[in-house]
Amino acid sequence: AQSVSQHNHHVILSEAASLELGCNYSYGGTVNLFWYVQYPGQHLQLLLKYFSGDPLVKGIKGFEAEFIKSKFSFNLRKPSVQWSDTAEYFCAVTSYSSASKIIFGSGTRLSIRP
Amino acid sequence: NAGVMQNPRHLVRRRGQEARLRCSPMKGHSHVYWYRQLPEEGLKFMVYLQKENIIDESGMPKERFSAEFPKEGPSILRIQQVVRGDSAAYFCASSLNSGTGGAKNIQYFGAGTRLSVL
Repeated sequence: AQSVSQHNHHVILSEAASLELGCNYSYGGTVNLFWYVQYPGQHLQLLLKYFSGDPLVKGIKGFEAEFIKSKFSFNLRKPSVQWSDTAEYFCAVTSYSSASKIIFGSGTRLSIRP
Repeated sequence: NAGVMQNPRHLVRRRGQEARLRCSPMKGHSHVYWYRQLPEEGLKFMVYLQKENIIDESGMPKERFSAEFPKEGPSILRIQQVVRGDSAAYFCASSLNSGTGGAKNIQYFGAGTRLSVL
């Protein structure tokens, strides 16, 4: 069965620090990969997505993620975080054969100290 | 910006009552999905519907839970005889297509309904 692991439950950073959130998935076939963000009290928003092509994906708000197929990883990065990046971040995957069912990781809560 | 609309945002029920959660998809979207988020966990897929059809209900509990997406009106997730373990956030998402045949399935989420069972 497919699964998604997010390594860090809670990350605390100071403003301007660099961010990397880990995400690994388990599935042997073709996958689509996503990062969603949930700001306090708001709905999930799509940060970025990978379907095919360039494994380095640029998203909104300065975020990027790199798909490394050999490592089954899709880590999220941002060179310099802001206080407004405080939120919960979810890595997610769908398979080519089951594209309608998103499998989510358990989430990483990011707290930014001003 | 008519995104995915869910109501109510918060719902309190006593054990044994029924809970009805509503979801209106984005304009032009005919595919609707329901997910449940238990405390300290990620979202878990429950059911996928198109207009008047249940396509995949592999994540739905076998009893007390049902979902529909009628020809007119919002999608409804119905939980009968609620128990404390049903307390969770229920999220609805919609998409333009199903993702089959290689089409890109991008799901847009609502703000969720937080169900509390007393």
